[in-house]
Amino acid sequence: GDSVTQMEGPVTLSEEAFLTINCTYTATGYPSLFWYVQYPGEGLQLLLKATKADDKGSNKGFEATYRKETTSFHLEKGSVQVSDSAVYFCALSDYKLSFGAGTTVTVRA
Amino acid sequence: DTGVSQNPRHKITKRGQNVTFRCDPISEHNRLYWYRQTLGQGPEFLTYFQNEAQLEKSRLLSDRFSAERPKGSFSTLEIQRTEQGDSAMYLCASIEIRGGFGANVLTFGAGSRLTVL
Repeated sequence: GDSVTQMEGPVTLSEEAFLTINCTYTATGYPSLFWYVQYPGEGLQLLLKATKADDKGSNKGFEATYRKETTSFHLEKGSVQVSDSAVYFCALSDYKLSFGAGTTVTVRA
Repeated sequence: DTGVSQNPRHKITKRGQNVTFRCDPISEHNRLYWYRQTLGQGPEFLTYFQNEAQLEKSRLLSDRFSAERPKGSFSTLEIQRTEQGDSAMYLCASIEIRGGFGANVLTFGAGSRLTVL
């Protein structure tokens, strides 16, 4: 079945560092791809999405590009802040979301 | 729009007891999902409803689990004869399906955390 594999954590960074979280997917069709974020003590929130190949999703300084040729949807941010500390989940969908295991990111001041 | 509401937020129960969780989706959303999330893992799909019809159940949903969505509004997830392995966060999410899944946003509730002693 459809699935995603994302980079294992945890990841610890200093403020203003560059963040990349790798995500690759396996799918029989052409799913939409998502990044969700879960801040401490809060529910899952959609961070960004891309619905077709070569689309770039972006939000809050985060970006990810839907790469069909490499079946990837890596998340990047050029300069992280302490407030970006959270768990990040890559997900794909056809009619339901399938999530990766999550990557815990901690940003130190 | 008050978002997706789940109750109770926390439930502690003894092994063998029955528990029920309730989810109130966003009012215009016609599709509702239940997921389970254990520590250090991503959410795992359990089941989903299109209006009042339950369209799919995961193999994770043993016969001790039952979900309903009467009248296509709120939904309940009941676990009978709870086991320690049922301890997890149970997440509800809803979406209005129009123009395909990717065209809309699946909105999650804060979850109901179950601890089975």
